[in-house]
Amino acid sequence: DTEVTQTPKHLVMGMTNKKSLKCEQHMGHRAMYWYKQKAKKPPELMFVYSYEKLSINESVPSRFSPECPNSSLLNLHLHALQPEDSALYLCASSQVGTSNEKLFFGSGTQLSVL
Amino acid sequence: KNEVEQSPQNLTAQEGEFITINCSYSVGISALHWLQQHPGGGIVSLFMLSSGKKKHGRLIATINIQEKHSSLHITASHPRDSAVYICAVGGEYGNKLVFGAGTILRVKS
Repeated sequence: DTEVTQTPKHLVMGMTNKKSLKCEQHMGHRAMYWYKQKAKKPPELMFVYSYEKLSINESVPSRFSPECPNSSLLNLHLHALQPEDSALYLCASSQVGTSNEKLFFGSGTQLSVL
Repeated sequence: KNEVEQSPQNLTAQEGEFITINCSYSVGISALHWLQQHPGGGIVSLFMLSSGKKKHGRLIATINIQEKHSSLHITASHPRDSAVYICAVGGEYGNKLVFGAGTILRVKS
């Protein structure tokens, strides 16, 4: 199984809503990532978890809250988002989290904030 | 100047043509990644290389560390190759990648 599964595929939420994005992999990877991608732009790194511990937070606003409950699961909790947070949110994983490893990406969650 | 520059930004080719996408970078790296993104979102890792050349099917990636330059070649291009191709480098920033802006490729039949 070489898949990274993201749910939901699409999400529409209001600015007062609380929602969560979910990411799952069963490749035994110990590094998991959240990226944000705006249309026609490359992905921007948000968070990195390494061995279930947050190792990188790219100064992401606190309305985005990541969680890694176990080595296979990564969540992104969303609260009080702004319309400018509308984007494609991509999850990725790699074996241990060095930059010379292949990254495996999920198909993303397309988020619209109204 | 961006740390990773790709060219061209847009490329239209006829089916069957040989295609080259270029990537230049200005930072020290441990690895360079070529990624493919089809409309609709999902990103696929095509190659990761730190020296020399790699081939997979009709795709070839090369890297010249001294010149800080990599190329992605597609032989006998096909409409299904239409996608955004992204170069990303890693090394100086641990497990953070620096991405190029991407090359939008359209292959017409």
